[in-house]
Amino acid sequence: GENVEQHPSTLSVQEGDSAVIKCTYSDSASNYFPWYKQELGKRPQLIIDIRSNVGEKKDQRIAVTLNKTAKHFSLHITETQPEDSAVYFCAASSSNYQLIWGAGTKLIIKP
Amino acid sequence: DAGVIQSPRHEVTEMGQEVTLRCKPISGHNSLFWYRQTMMRGLELLIYFNNNVPIDDSGMPEDRFSAKMPNASFSTLKIQPSEPRDSAVYFCAMQRGVANTGELFFGEGSRLTVL
Repeated sequence: GENVEQHPSTLSVQEGDSAVIKCTYSDSASNYFPWYKQELGKRPQLIIDIRSNVGEKKDQRIAVTLNKTAKHFSLHITETQPEDSAVYFCAASSSNYQLIWGAGTKLIIKP
Repeated sequence: DAGVIQSPRHEVTEMGQEVTLRCKPISGHNSLFWYRQTMMRGLELLIYFNNNVPIDDSGMPEDRFSAKMPNASFSTLKIQPSEPRDSAVYFCAMQRGVANTGELFFGEGSRLTVL
């Protein structure tokens, strides 16, 4: 079955700097890769997603890149702000309904 | 669109008691998921319904757990009897269409503490 690994588990960056979170997956049939942000005590919310027919997707300060050959995808946040502090989860799914989740990355933005 | 509504938001109960968590889905979203979140195990899918029919309950940890979706407007997750290791945040989430066709909309979650 699918396995998703996420790194790092904690990431601390200076406000204004960029943050990169990486995920690898094992099932080459996986074709949908969402990223969710979860603020402390809140629900996970989708921030960006990408499908396997696209290599990169951007939405303002957030971008996701996908390397199907290497089976990894990454979340890039530029010009980080205090409100970016949260736990970020990647996930992957193939033709069945199961979303397989990464373990999460706690992003800390230092003022 | 009021979003996914879960109740109770917090529950503290004693070991052995029955716990019922409730979810009012978003209308027009016909895939419903129950997740459990803990620090140790992260997000775990417990059960998935499509058009009110349970499709996969292989994530339900034990027979003590059961879930129902009697209609498109309501779902419950029941734990009987509860144990301390059931302490977690339980999320109900919805998706349009069949699973993995897009965004998952999570409810606020029910934080369960079993003493």
